[in-house]
Amino acid sequence: QQQVKQSPQSLIVQKGGISIINCAYENTAFDYFPWYQQFPGKGPALLIAIRPDVSEKKEGRFTISFNKSAKQFSLHIMDSQPGDSATYFCAASAGAGSYQLTFGKGTKLSVIP
Amino acid sequence: NAGVMQNPRHLVRRRGQEARLRCSPMKGHSHVYWYRQLPEEGLKFMVYLQKENIIDESGMPKERFSAEFPKEGPSILRIQQVVRGDSAAYFCASSRAPVETQYFGPGTRLLVL
Repeated sequence: QQQVKQSPQSLIVQKGGISIINCAYENTAFDYFPWYQQFPGKGPALLIAIRPDVSEKKEGRFTISFNKSAKQFSLHIMDSQPGDSATYFCAASAGAGSYQLTFGKGTKLSVIP
Repeated sequence: NAGVMQNPRHLVRRRGQEARLRCSPMKGHSHVYWYRQLPEEGLKFMVYLQKENIIDESGMPKERFSAEFPKEGPSILRIQQVVRGDSAAYFCASSRAPVETQYFGPGTRLLVL
């Protein structure tokens, strides 16, 4: 099964700092790359998503950077807040099977005051 | 404006029993997806259903697992003769169309004793 590799596994950032989470993929057919945020006891919620026709997408404090040649994409959280503390998952899907999301293993982010 | 609903939220079963997990999609959504999340792992796709049809069950274990989405009522994920390895969080997601955003429910945490 095609994989999406996510790092780091856990991340501690001070309030106001920048959180960076990276993902790498193998399947060149992937054409949709969403990020999900999951709080304990809850289901994943879509945070932001990108397609490979752009190299960057920004929504508020959240930015996805996409490098097609390196097959990598990353999530940047600017001015990180304690309320951002959650587990973040990158995912990818491909073409006609785009409903079948392939998830990374997740990054547990802790933002400390 | 209810989101995706899943019940029960927690389920405890002994080895050999059956587990039934229910999912009611968001209003207006006719596409349902089930994912399984093992501890410290990302979500893994199991099955995609539309009303009365299984579209893709490529992620379902070949034995003991089945899913349905009847014309009336919630989607059901059924696990027969559960084993300890079935202990996981099971998430349901729904969408209006297969290429549109999937919205996740809060999950059912299954514990097999």
